[in-house]
Amino acid sequence: DGGITQSPKYLFRKEGQNVTLSCEQNLNHDAMYWYRQDPGQGLRLIYYSQIVNDFQKGDIAEGYSVSREKKESFPLTVTSAQKNPTAFYLCASSIWAGLQETQYFGPGTRLLVL
Amino acid sequence: AQSVTQLDSQVPVFEEAPVELRCNYSSSVSVYLFWYVQYPNQGLQLLLKYLSGSTLVKGINGFEAEFNKSQTSFHLRKPSVHISDTAEYFCAVSDPGNQFYFGTGTSLTVIP
Repeated sequence: DGGITQSPKYLFRKEGQNVTLSCEQNLNHDAMYWYRQDPGQGLRLIYYSQIVNDFQKGDIAEGYSVSREKKESFPLTVTSAQKNPTAFYLCASSIWAGLQETQYFGPGTRLLVL
Repeated sequence: AQSVTQLDSQVPVFEEAPVELRCNYSSSVSVYLFWYVQYPNQGLQLLLKYLSGSTLVKGINGFEAEFNKSQTSFHLRKPSVHISDTAEYFCAVSDPGNQFYFGTGTSLTVIP
């Protein structure tokens, strides 16, 4: 059963703590993305990766970090520098097939600050 | 950069009535257009997409959308909505640079 999995579904962060959100895909997609969604707002791009061992900052990368050591995995770390981390985080992937890029999404992780 | 405008943030509609969710984008260059649906506390699910060919695109759950190049629009329609269609709907555009741009979403509420 191919797809994108995100874990955990809910995550709680204490002040000053770094937390890591997991994203795994078995679709053999080259590109992966992290978005942040706040209530009443659209999706904002945090980071994306087009290929293993390479990633690029999106529109709101400050306070976040990523790695892409394997094609199927793209974990996102929310660092203590991110002062307002409470949001719904969505991971997506796409076949890097030229102009016909469709993004497929995971179920999301909701991050809450204690 | 593209911008994607979803003109209505909230759309209430009675069950079995038709609905149209509006989407406009900023550029007239070749783009690819998508509609996604998001149910509460879930990820986004692809409803339909326009890449080329016929300007009327049919998707899942009885939805369809029409690409209008002259008006730079890609409105989503359904002739008869069901309670289960209550969700958030996002329009998205992919440009030749393969950048993906999302609208701010339209919350569709179907009233019994």
